[in-house]
Amino acid sequence: KQEVTQIPAALSVPEGENLVLNCSFTDSAIYNLQWFRQDPGKGLTSLLLIQSSQREQTSGRLNASLDKSSGRSTLYIAASQPGDSATYLCAVADNQFYFGTGTSLTVIP
Amino acid sequence: DGGITQSPKYLFRKEGQNVTLSCEQNLNHDAMYWYRQDPGQGLRLIYYSQIVNDFQKGDIAEGYSVSREKKESFPLTVTSAQKNPTAFYLCASSSGRDGELFFGEGSRLTVL
Repeated sequence: KQEVTQIPAALSVPEGENLVLNCSFTDSAIYNLQWFRQDPGKGLTSLLLIQSSQREQTSGRLNASLDKSSGRSTLYIAASQPGDSATYLCAVADNQFYFGTGTSLTVIP
Repeated sequence: DGGITQSPKYLFRKEGQNVTLSCEQNLNHDAMYWYRQDPGQGLRLIYYSQIVNDFQKGDIAEGYSVSREKKESFPLTVTSAQKNPTAFYLCASSSGRDGELFFGEGSRLTVL
């Protein structure tokens, strides 16, 4: 069964800093990997979807990479802002969707 | 706008009562999912449906039931058999196993 791990569990950075969130998974036979954002008490918002044949995807200040062979993905956030404060989750799709427990990000003004 | 609508947003239930959470999508997705989220834990799959009139148990199906009579709708019933039902419930849909996953805003159930 797929296991998804996110490190660190929590991260606090000053505004303006660039940061990297990590996601690892145990089985490389995936269809895709998706990064989500979750605000307190809300549903998950899709940020980026990387298909298994792709290496990276970009949206604005966000860049996600995928290395299937090593079972790793990173989410790079450039020039962080207080509005980026949220929990970030990654999920991989094989026969089901498997989720990590998330990284709680706080950006300090 | 296309999306997933969950209702109610907040629900209180007395012990021994069944409650039904609604999930409606207008994304024309074949696959729909119900997840449970508890503090400090990842999302856990309750039930999923890949097509109308068919659904499968997920990892924690005991005490829950679903139906999929229409493509747009996938209601979840939390029965009195569910021992610890207080949680945040999330409905999601996708075009398939390899499609992008979209979520509703969630329903928070509290058992009094």
